[in-house]
Amino acid sequence: KAGVTQTPRYLIKTRGQQVTLSCSPISGHRSVSWYQQTPGQGLQFLFEYFSETQRNKGNFPGRFSGRQFSNSRSEMNVSTLELGDSALYLCASLTSSGEQFFGPGTRLTVL
Amino acid sequence: TQLLEQSPQFLSIQEGENLTVYCNSSSVFSSLQWYRQEPGEGPVLLVTVVTGGEVKKLKRLTFQFGDARKDSSLHITAAQPGDTGLYLCAGRTRIYNQGGKLIFGQGTELSVKP
Repeated sequence: KAGVTQTPRYLIKTRGQQVTLSCSPISGHRSVSWYQQTPGQGLQFLFEYFSETQRNKGNFPGRFSGRQFSNSRSEMNVSTLELGDSALYLCASLTSSGEQFFGPGTRLTVL
Repeated sequence: TQLLEQSPQFLSIQEGENLTVYCNSSSVFSSLQWYRQEPGEGPVLLVTVVTGGEVKKLKRLTFQFGDARKDSSLHITAAQPGDTGLYLCAGRTRIYNQGGKLIFGQGTELSVKP
């Protein structure tokens, strides 16, 4: 069974640009969660999608958005990038009972 | 704001030593999970505990959920260099199907020297 796939693995952007990250969950899983991980703040919940609907949302500004497609693949978008957005962005594929299986993450660097 | 406090934040020990990592909160959790993360990778789920007082073992790792479901511990016996990594606890205050978000602790960075 294939695991969670995240693309790209590494990304370098400059302030003010926007970025789109992609996540393909484990086959059969209908829910995807996104997290931001930084050394100072640890793992912080961004949002969760289930069957193309946002089910839960963390405390991030509106520059952070996401969506889920009918095949359960998900994307997250960050607009008007700031230096503080540099982080490891993790996607997790969830079972129906809420157990999470993480992808390898996308390392975003904002210059 | 619900917080999960993990301690210690950093731990450097010699191969063969035992260690315990603690995860504490003032909130009651419906379930609590432990993850291990290696550099450049996503966290890997080790165990989920759901019942107060529950103890689960995974080879040399022993996980315990507090009786009041507000705290948990991870004990490693005879640590090996392969145990090196970031250990994270995470809990839900409501069950997943009722919209419970997963809240993560700050993590414990473990280094086991040969």
